[in-house]
Amino acid sequence: DAKTTQPNSMESNEEEPVHLPCNHSTISGTDYIHWYRQLPSQGPEYVIHGLTSNVNNRMASLAIAEDRKSSTLILHRATLRDAAVYYCILRGSVSYNTDKLIFGTGTRLQVFP
Amino acid sequence: DTGVSQNPRHKITKRGQNVTFRCDPISEHNRLYWYRQTLGQGPEFLTYFQNEAQLEKSRLLSDRFSAERPKGSFSTLEIQRTEQGDSAMYLCASSLVGVQGYEQFFGPGTRLTVL
Repeated sequence: DAKTTQPNSMESNEEEPVHLPCNHSTISGTDYIHWYRQLPSQGPEYVIHGLTSNVNNRMASLAIAEDRKSSTLILHRATLRDAAVYYCILRGSVSYNTDKLIFGTGTRLQVFP
Repeated sequence: DTGVSQNPRHKITKRGQNVTFRCDPISEHNRLYWYRQTLGQGPEFLTYFQNEAQLEKSRLLSDRFSAERPKGSFSTLEIQRTEQGDSAMYLCASSLVGVQGYEQFFGPGTRLTVL
């Protein structure tokens, strides 16, 4: 299974942008890059995913390097509710043979008022 | 509330006892997953179902663990002869195959404490 590397923790002030990096140098051509986050005492929740192009949704933006060996999750204006553990996950094309998410230890984001 | 629900939310048991957890997925979702999470770690995959068929089991799922999804709707995870090492948060998720992204929706989890 392809592996991702993330910093253990990051800090931000409220209303500032946050850039959460992820390295995935062994990514294969068919791997999608998924981001999930886990708020305290809750199950993980989907944030965003992409393959090659940058992606935007209401929660965040995903910037993918041209060689796809790294990506960055961007929170444009951090709020206190964004304090969570953020997981970067590589996910192959979903097939009937494998469909699991492989979580690392993620990045714990602290947001200060 | 149309999200994934799990019961019970907390379970305390003595070593050697059997426990069973239930997961109710989002109603139209055909895939259901079980994960386990210990303190400070990310969730670890245990098993998943496509409708009632169990398609993959992790090596983490020892013979003491069994999961079922008898009618392709709710699922149960049973742990027999619990050990202290089984203490963890057990998370259930569901998804709908055929939807772009195959996002997994997680429930709040069942926290198991084995004394």
